[in-house]
Amino acid sequence: GDSVTQMEGPVTLSEEAFLTINCTYTATGYPSLFWYVQYPGEGLQLLLKATKADDKGSNKGFEATYRKETTSFHLEKGSVQVSDSAVYFCALSDLRGSTLGRLYFGRGTQLTVWP
Amino acid sequence: DGGITQSPKYLFRKEGQNVTLSCEQNLNHDAMYWYRQDPGQGLRLIYYSQIVNDFQKGDIAEGYSVSREKKESFPLTVTSAQKNPTAFYLCASSIDMDRGRDEQYFGPGTRLTVT
Repeated sequence: GDSVTQMEGPVTLSEEAFLTINCTYTATGYPSLFWYVQYPGEGLQLLLKATKADDKGSNKGFEATYRKETTSFHLEKGSVQVSDSAVYFCALSDLRGSTLGRLYFGRGTQLTVWP
Repeated sequence: DGGITQSPKYLFRKEGQNVTLSCEQNLNHDAMYWYRQDPGQGLRLIYYSQIVNDFQKGDIAEGYSVSREKKESFPLTVTSAQKNPTAFYLCASSIDMDRGRDEQYFGPGTRLTVT
């Protein structure tokens, strides 16, 4: 079945460091891919998305490229800030399976950025 | 402002009592979802609804019930049959469940504690 695997955290970085959070997926069809962010005690916010192979999603300095050949959607940011500290979730939506349109989430990766 | 509201933010109940969590959206979205979040486990889908008067079980529907009598409302009842109900509950909605319109928007969540 469909699934998402994220790198386990926690990830701890100094301010201005480079961030990569790995995400790989398994899907029977052609999924849309998403990154969501969750700040403490809050709901999830959509960070970026990509709907087809080679698409690059970007927002607030974060980027992720849909790589069909490696079934990956790694999240990157060139210079993190303390305010980026949060939990990041990778997710996929597979529109060709019997479970039309539902999202499958990874377990989340906790990021802490120190000043 | 359009968005999703969940109330209350914190809810306390005694074991054996049913409790209903509210979810309202004014985004005019057709699809709505309920997730449960436990530490280190990511999000698990409880129920979803693609349209008014229709809903489907997700991965962990046992001990929960929902209704979808109005487009903007999707309440979740946690029954006494749910063995471990203490968790953070998140409601979400999307335009519908087709590609390009399936990105989900989340409410702020309700933290339920059952003792």
